[in-house]
Amino acid sequence: DTAVSQTPKYLVTQMGNDKSIKCEQNLGHDTMYWYKQDSKKFLKIMFSYNNKELIINETVPNRFSPKSPDKAHLNLHINSLELGDSAVYFCASSQKTAGGTQYFGPGTRLTVL
Amino acid sequence: GESVGLHLPTLSVQEGDNSIINCAYSNSASDYFIWYKQESGKGPQFIIDIRSNMDKRQGQRVTVLLNKTVKHLSLQIAATQPGDSAVYFCAENYYGNNRLAFGKGNQVVVIP
Repeated sequence: DTAVSQTPKYLVTQMGNDKSIKCEQNLGHDTMYWYKQDSKKFLKIMFSYNNKELIINETVPNRFSPKSPDKAHLNLHINSLELGDSAVYFCASSQKTAGGTQYFGPGTRLTVL
Repeated sequence: GESVGLHLPTLSVQEGDNSIINCAYSNSASDYFIWYKQESGKGPQFIIDIRSNMDKRQGQRVTVLLNKTVKHLSLQIAATQPGDSAVYFCAENYYGNNRLAFGKGNQVVVIP
């Protein structure tokens, strides 16, 4: 029944480690996104994929690498984690690339120690 | 859970009263606007949207008003309930731009 799901819900790790967050949507949407929400609740887009093709790549350190094996999945891999990467990461999907409602997953709270 | 000292603009409203949340958007070319609700520990949830060819749209207990002249969007919640306590975000988009730009959140606290 879940529309946009993410795993894990919580991720606690040491600085320097590499970690991945997975996202899946069963809405049949073509476009998926990754957002970062900071401690002040500000939501900022990081990446967007349309039918497995990267269409948005904001100014994000290249330690962050998204991967879309198919249009229902968009994973986020982070290398060499830093303290400043601590945030809540949200996956979202939409039917269109522009002018369409985005539906969000439950979020992954990443804490880097 | 919520961070201590988050300092979001906060609207405290008595249960049963109406709430109005305001948002100033930045791009005069934006033609699509969405209000999202984010409860503690959850992802943003779609509430209502409006396109720029309209100035008002109503949903269940919610109304969105759009004033393009002053680039202002508002969300009205009728008969506010405890379950309406959340952070509310407006977002704007213009056709051809893949990005939804989110405004700063507004915290609504419903007092029983």
